[in-house]
Amino acid sequence: AQKITQTQPGMFVQEKEAVTLDCTYDTSDQSYGLFWYKQPSSGEMIFLIYQGSYDEQNATEGRYSLNFQKARKSANLVISASQLGDSAMYFCAMSEETSGSRLTFGEGTQLTVNP
Amino acid sequence: DGGITQSPKYLFRKEGQNVTLSCEQNLNHDAMYWYRQDPGQGLRLIYYSQIVNDFQKGDIAEGYSVSREKKESFPLTVTSAQKNPTAFYLCASSTIGFERETQYFGPGTRLLVL
Repeated sequence: AQKITQTQPGMFVQEKEAVTLDCTYDTSDQSYGLFWYKQPSSGEMIFLIYQGSYDEQNATEGRYSLNFQKARKSANLVISASQLGDSAMYFCAMSEETSGSRLTFGEGTQLTVNP
Repeated sequence: DGGITQSPKYLFRKEGQNVTLSCEQNLNHDAMYWYRQDPGQGLRLIYYSQIVNDFQKGDIAEGYSVSREKKESFPLTVTSAQKNPTAFYLCASSTIGFERETQYFGPGTRLLVL
């Protein structure tokens, strides 16, 4: 079974609007971490935001926020006030207590911001 | 500036050749990782190392080898046994542990088999 599922291969959003990128995960560990990375066309992976399984509040980093719904095993990324530079691939990843610092990545979502 | 460097940016390999991809970090991180990314797909873990002179296989280690003689360096060799090596290779590093150990990535190396 897939540990990380990103069901949206591609998403489009108008500049200055908000967009939600979906991520669901599967783990039997009680302690785990969820990460979002951005990959522009240049290929570098840029860390955006982190959510720990025991964090009671949703993580926020500037225009990025994570909508964490533990019971539903979802960790959706919300980007507010989209900018043209947000056009990129976005990957959700998970670390599990039983796997140490290893990350498992989803297949990614290609976000295109239209002017 | 602290960071992770990978070289070369592009690498061409003839069939039957071994090639080595370089990864160096000056973040003083204990753990280092190698990932492979195929077009339109996510990252898959090849090898990782949490301490000098020790490393573990990831999910797709066949046809690859690594060494970790120094904390700062984690070179990856793509051997002739790797039948489909054309891909984008990313190196990452992190501190040791579990919670909040964010992995930071280098710029990547694109390998093309001629």
